[in-house]
Amino acid sequence: DGGITQSPKYLFRKEGQNVTLSCEQNLNHDAMYWYRQDPGQGLRLIYYSQIVNDFQKGDIAEGYSVSREKKESFPLTVTSAQKNPTAFYLCASSDSTGLNIQYFGAGTRLSVL
Amino acid sequence: AQRVTQPEKLLSVFKGAPVELKCNYSYSGSPELFWYVQYSRQRLQLLLRHISRESIKGFTADLNKGETSFHLKKPFAQEEDSAMYYCALSGGYQKVTFGTGTKLQVIP
Repeated sequence: DGGITQSPKYLFRKEGQNVTLSCEQNLNHDAMYWYRQDPGQGLRLIYYSQIVNDFQKGDIAEGYSVSREKKESFPLTVTSAQKNPTAFYLCASSDSTGLNIQYFGAGTRLSVL
Repeated sequence: AQRVTQPEKLLSVFKGAPVELKCNYSYSGSPELFWYVQYSRQRLQLLLRHISRESIKGFTADLNKGETSFHLKKPFAQEEDSAMYYCALSGGYQKVTFGTGTKLQVIP
């Protein structure tokens, strides 16, 4: 089954804890993205990466960190500095042909215990 | 800075009525505009993009640079069109900005 795989589907975080959301793609896409989806606020860009070993902050990067060590993987860590982490997180990828069409994962719902 | 505005959170129409989902954007260069759709319990997916000037599932969208708009239209709404619709803009360096979304509810 090809595409974007996010895991876990549900995640719970305790106060002061860092948690990592996984995103893997087998589409051979260069670019990958992390969005946060909150009711009434649409999708807000957290981080994006155009190529391996490089990434840029999006609009709401504070309290989050990412890495891009492999083309297929773009994990997102929600750190304890993120005071309001409860949200639905979406990962996406796109190719670099110029079409810039985004392909999305099924998402991870993060809640605070 | 790039910005996308979708003024309506919810749009309710009767089956068979015309649909227009509004999208306005702000971008200093030449943007790429997209409409994405999320049906219930499905992933967010591309509906159409302005470059291709295509009609998908009866939907069309025309880029109006003078009004900086990219409204999504369909002449006759169907029940299966009920979903969440997002307008998106791609500027430089592959950064993509999404609007806040409009929930379309088609009443039988």
